[in-house]
Amino acid sequence: DTAVSQTPKYLVTQMGNDKSIKCEQNLGHDTMYWYKQDSKKFLKIMFSYNNKELIINETVPNRFSPKSPDKAHLNLHINSLELGDSAVYFCASTHLNEQFFGPGTRLTVL
Amino acid sequence: GDSVTQMEGPVTLSEEAFLTINCTYTATGYPSLFWYVQYPGEGLQLLLKATKADDKGSNKGFEATYRKETTSFHLEKGSVQVSDSAVYFCALSASYNQGGKLIFGQGTELSVKP
Repeated sequence: DTAVSQTPKYLVTQMGNDKSIKCEQNLGHDTMYWYKQDSKKFLKIMFSYNNKELIINETVPNRFSPKSPDKAHLNLHINSLELGDSAVYFCASTHLNEQFFGPGTRLTVL
Repeated sequence: GDSVTQMEGPVTLSEEAFLTINCTYTATGYPSLFWYVQYPGEGLQLLLKATKADDKGSNKGFEATYRKETTSFHLEKGSVQVSDSAVYFCALSASYNQGGKLIFGQGTELSVKP
């Protein structure tokens, strides 16, 4: 009965590759987010979707493209991966001002 | 823009010691305030929250009071346990017209020794 799930948990890839991370929530929430946590544990918003519509896009390189096929899913596609993209990416969904986070995807770019 | 500042870590305490992690914020309007905890290798879990001035959030022995006059939301616990070792994040929820995103402090790592 996982609330917010992400796949994969770990992703190791070479520079220049394209990869996707998937997120699903079974909480019935309308709004979902992607956050990036860097090596110093700092967390920053990347994107937010409300009912499949993009509402936040925080100065993220256009190599990153979120896609929301329905309100329960928010996927993150990354083109031409760079070393600096190595981080933990967290998906979250929100209801009544409380955000619920997924377990994270640790991306390592070699 | 809105921002959150936390005391720097790491913080190392002995079991049963008193914990305070300072958090101050800058925001327009009246944000909701949160403390999240991240245990090693895991995602973030909501620890407690407060939605208006003078509200006190509490959970698992942790407490924080929303102080509008000092723009603070300090986290306290009277007697920490080894199992409290984790990274603690203070956060505010931006206004609805900013999509309700969370703005986080830099995190404070807590290590509790037996």
